[in-house]
Amino acid sequence: GQQLNQSPQSMFIQEGEDVSMNCTSSSIFNTWLWYKQDPGEGPVLLIALYKAGELTSNGRLTAQFGITRKDSFLNISASIPSDVGIYFCAGQWQGGSEKLVFGKGTKLTVNP
Amino acid sequence: GAGVSQSPSNKVTEKGKDVELRCDPISGHTALYWYRQRLGQGLEFLIYFQGNSAPDKSGLPSDRFSAERTGESVSTLTIQRTQQEDSAVYLCASSLSRRITEKLFFGSGTQLSVL
Repeated sequence: GQQLNQSPQSMFIQEGEDVSMNCTSSSIFNTWLWYKQDPGEGPVLLIALYKAGELTSNGRLTAQFGITRKDSFLNISASIPSDVGIYFCAGQWQGGSEKLVFGKGTKLTVNP
Repeated sequence: GAGVSQSPSNKVTEKGKDVELRCDPISGHTALYWYRQRLGQGLEFLIYFQGNSAPDKSGLPSDRFSAERTGESVSTLTIQRTQQEDSAVYLCASSLSRRITEKLFFGSGTQLSVL
């Protein structure tokens, strides 16, 4: 299947700092999605992106669908302790079916 | 129910035994997915069902894995002759339709440990 390279694998930041994480692929994707997973729970959708160049915000979160359609980033501004969790990118690649391909996740730790 | 429900939440089994995992999707959701999440890894697609269409089984790792779904309701994922590498969290998700634009709702998963 198509691979999504997500980085960084983990981040340790202070409360109030901004965070940036990204996903890249060698293949073109039609859709990019960002999910957050809390311990012991399933992932929850944060932001969905459907067009190249699209920039979408959800509160303190901002995500963009790269122009080349091979990458996406997620920014979190002014982090707070409840931002702790694992963030996954996911996408539907151009040559595939409806199933989503997921990145390996970025584990975020926020120190108060 | 209000969300996707999975049972059991935890399952410990011995190598070689069969296990059955259950998923109750959100009522009215025609699409149902199973994913596997190994420790520290992303979500690995296993299988998805859409209404009465033939399921997409392309992600099942071996013939020891199988899944069924009754209509647009409950699904069961069965792993036969479990191996230690089967240890993982098995997540179920459902959505209103097969279109990727429909939001996927995940259950809390079944943590499977094969000793």
